[in-house]
Amino acid sequence: SYDLTQPPSVSVSPGQTASITCSGDKLGNKYACWYQQKPGQSPVLVIYQDNKRPSGIPERFSGSNSGNTATLTISGTQAMDEAVYYCQAWDSYTVFGGGTKLTVL
Amino acid sequence: QVQLQESGPGLVKPSETLSLTCTVSGGSISTFYWSWIRQPPGKGLEWIGYVYHSGTTNYNPSLKSRVTISIDTSKNQFSLKLNSVTAADTAVYYCARDQRFCSSTTCYFWEDVWGQGTTVTVSS
Repeated sequence: SYDLTQPPSVSVSPGQTASITCSGDKLGNKYACWYQQKPGQSPVLVIYQDNKRPSGIPERFSGSNSGNTATLTISGTQAMDEAVYYCQAWDSYTVFGGGTKLTVL
Repeated sequence: QVQLQESGPGLVKPSETLSLTCTVSGGSISTFYWSWIRQPPGKGLEWIGYVYHSGTTNYNPSLKSRVTISIDTSKNQFSLKLNSVTAADTAVYYCARDQRFCSSTTCYFWEDVWGQGTTVTVSS
């Protein structure tokens, strides 16, 4: 089976840049996407196909994917960005990472 | 814009079959792939499987032996059946719309619109 590994938690100060990583074997050869989930809410797609933003997602969200690691970057992090973030990739079926709780201190 | 709504029993007895339906509004079900995803309490997301309007399905290998996903285009609905449930199947169940991108060798899928989720508890 294919596995995606994320750090359990990341902390960032307001206005700073947050980076959340997602590791998987040759992940750079696949497409990665990212979801944001706030407590009690459904996940929201924030990045797809490595670095594309859906309509309505702020420009401060960006993504990259190379080698074995995909990265979600949030520039100028705001308090409203505090959430759990999941990476996802397709390997004959959809695989999710374990999730990273982003805390904005 | 398209909206998805899950429905079905919130309580299922162990060893019985969990059955959920997702109703799609604001768009046709006959254009996209449609997925089920679940999230146990306090845990991460687990993809269950998808269905296409043709009836083509694909399932998570870990659940494949117990899962059936079907589609009813006349009602703009798709459904999930999970049999022989145990307490480990207790979760919030989401339905979602899939987007697809195909390269020369592989197609990739991701979920771009999600329902609000429905909680299913497995207990006697």
